Amino acid sequence: ETGVTQSPTHLIKTRGQQVTLRCSSQSGHNTVSWYQQALGQGPQFIFQYYREEENGRGNFPPRFSGLQFPNYSSELNVNALELDDSALYLCASSLVAGVGTGELFFGEGSRLTVL
Amino acid sequence: AQRVTQPEKLLSVFKGAPVELKCNYSYSGSPELFWYVQYSRQRLQLLLRHISRESIKGFTADLNKGETSFHLKKPFAQEEDSAMYYCALKNTRFGAGTRLTVKP
Repeated sequence: ETGVTQSPTHLIKTRGQQVTLRCSSQSGHNTVSWYQQALGQGPQFIFQYYREEENGRGNFPPRFSGLQFPNYSSELNVNALELDDSALYLCASSLVAGVGTGELFFGEGSRLTVL
Repeated sequence: AQRVTQPEKLLSVFKGAPVELKCNYSYSGSPELFWYVQYSRQRLQLLLRHISRESIKGFTADLNKGETSFHLKKPFAQEEDSAMYYCALKNTRFGAGTRLTVKP
């Protein structure tokens, strides 16, 4: 059974640029959630995708957008990067579609630094 | 508003001592609560959830709706319990986490 994988593991961008982070869900999982984790904080829910549709969203501006593909992998896109976007971005997959339910299986994260 | 509070950022106990990691929540509906744990150099993983009412690695957590709490407890801490612990409400609101250190 393949776990959740994320890429890239680390990246550095400058303010105003755009970034795409990728996530492959655990085998058999159809739901992907994305989280932002700033240093010293808990994960903050960005959004969840189920069957290629956004299925719930946290308090993040529209410049945070996502996609889910037919194979259930997912992308997180962030436009017009700001310094405060520097964080660890976590992807988690699950079997249960309802936002907030079911066990989450996390990836190791993509660490984004915005200069 | 949904809120999860873990009042202790750091908690240190000796091996064999009881441990309690506190979690308080604010939610108007029926809460779904989870504890996630991150061991050193590992990814975040589920420890337990209130709906299953099970004990994992000797840890238990009871939902107290009156006090809006979901504290994590273990009667005898082990060194391998040293980790970062996060309480989560509906998987959309996480607390800031408590770093537990179990000293030999």
